[in-house]
Amino acid sequence: KAGVTQTPRYLIKTRGQQVTLSCSPISGHRSVSWYQQTPGQGLQFLFEYFSETQRNKGNFPGRFSGRQFSNSRSEMNVSTLELGDSALYLCASSLLGVSNQPQHFGDGTRLSIL
Amino acid sequence: GESVGLHLPTLSVQEGDNSIINCAYSNSASDYFIWYKQESGKGPQFIIDIRSNMDKRQGQRVTVLLNKTVKHLSLQIAATQPGDSAVYFCAANSGYALNFGKGTSLLVTP
Repeated sequence: KAGVTQTPRYLIKTRGQQVTLSCSPISGHRSVSWYQQTPGQGLQFLFEYFSETQRNKGNFPGRFSGRQFSNSRSEMNVSTLELGDSALYLCASSLLGVSNQPQHFGDGTRLSIL
Repeated sequence: GESVGLHLPTLSVQEGDNSIINCAYSNSASDYFIWYKQESGKGPQFIIDIRSNMDKRQGQRVTVLLNKTVKHLSLQIAATQPGDSAVYFCAANSGYALNFGKGTSLLVTP
């Protein structure tokens, strides 16, 4: 069974640009969550999508947005990039949700802002 | 606010010894807890989970202990091997989200 796939693995952008990251969950998983990982803040929850609907959102500005398609694939978009957005962005999928079953993570997209 | 924290940011053990990694959580409503292992350049990998109706759960070479009274959980790794060197995260649920601790870096020395 294929795992969670995130593309691209690495991205370099400049301030003010926007970026879209992609996540393909494990087949059959309907919940997709996104996290930002930095050395200082650790793993921080961005949002969760389930059946194309955003079900929960973390404490991030509106520049961070996402969506989920009917095949459960998800994209995350960050607009007006800032230097502080440099991080590893992780996607995780689970069958039904994050609160009571394991999430399975991809290897992330490393975003660097110049 | 709600938090999940680990007691030690780094832990060094000798190969063959048992490792214990500790974690504390603040939300008394949390009823699901999970441990992940993250190796360099990879995403977190699921190790073991436990629900609040249990105090202990065992996997292959790993045991998770949950003490709801003091809001503490621990991960025990038996006969630690060099391949166990990684950063270990605990997480506790909070509504629809998982709150992660900052991680403990486990270094296994020969």
